[in-house]
Amino acid sequence: QQQVKQSPQSLIVQKGGISIINCAYENTAFDYFPWYQQFPGKGPALLIAIRPDVSEKKEGRFTISFNKSAKQFSLHIMDSQPGDSATYFCAAAQSGGSYIPTFGRGTSLIVHP
Amino acid sequence: NAGVMQNPRHLVRRRGQEARLRCSPMKGHSHVYWYRQLPEEGLKFMVYLQKENIIDESGMPKERFSAEFPKEGPSILRIQQVVRGDSAAYFCASSHSGRNEKLFFGSGTQLSVL
Repeated sequence: QQQVKQSPQSLIVQKGGISIINCAYENTAFDYFPWYQQFPGKGPALLIAIRPDVSEKKEGRFTISFNKSAKQFSLHIMDSQPGDSATYFCAAAQSGGSYIPTFGRGTSLIVHP
Repeated sequence: NAGVMQNPRHLVRRRGQEARLRCSPMKGHSHVYWYRQLPEEGLKFMVYLQKENIIDESGMPKERFSAEFPKEGPSILRIQQVVRGDSAAYFCASSHSGRNEKLFFGSGTQLSVL
């Protein structure tokens, strides 16, 4: 059973465009939703995270939108740059327990110059 | 301050051999998580350890796989009698405490089973 569903699997965007990656979760006990960025040959690195008490969080060109009732959250990358080309993973965790993030399958983003 | 160190970066084993993957967490971190990554399948949780204790191993296959995090030294993920299906990238992550949500990942070990 896939607890965190991520789409699309791959995404191609022109430089300066907006990249949007969507995730949906099943477990209503999840209360922490991070996004990780992974470059080839490297491990994932935390990019931005949100808790369900807010509907949006912005850090620079990266924004998370969160819809608690729909159990969905998304990552928006504004003014996408070639350097943003990477694989992005959404995740969900239950902070009250032993906290083990469950990851989506990842989205391979390519930003063309 | 060195990050999470994993070695080896690449490991080639023949079917039936043993694979040992090592992970040294960030300085001051006492919590270690192991994940396995297969193409187009994302990161699959395997095991969560604290020093000398296994906290959660719900993602570990029941046979051939084991993990430890001794009082001294790195965490070890051990795969006995490897099969081709074990070929994957194995990532280790660490955190300062189990309640610290930010995980720091190593660069992974790519295991290839011939």
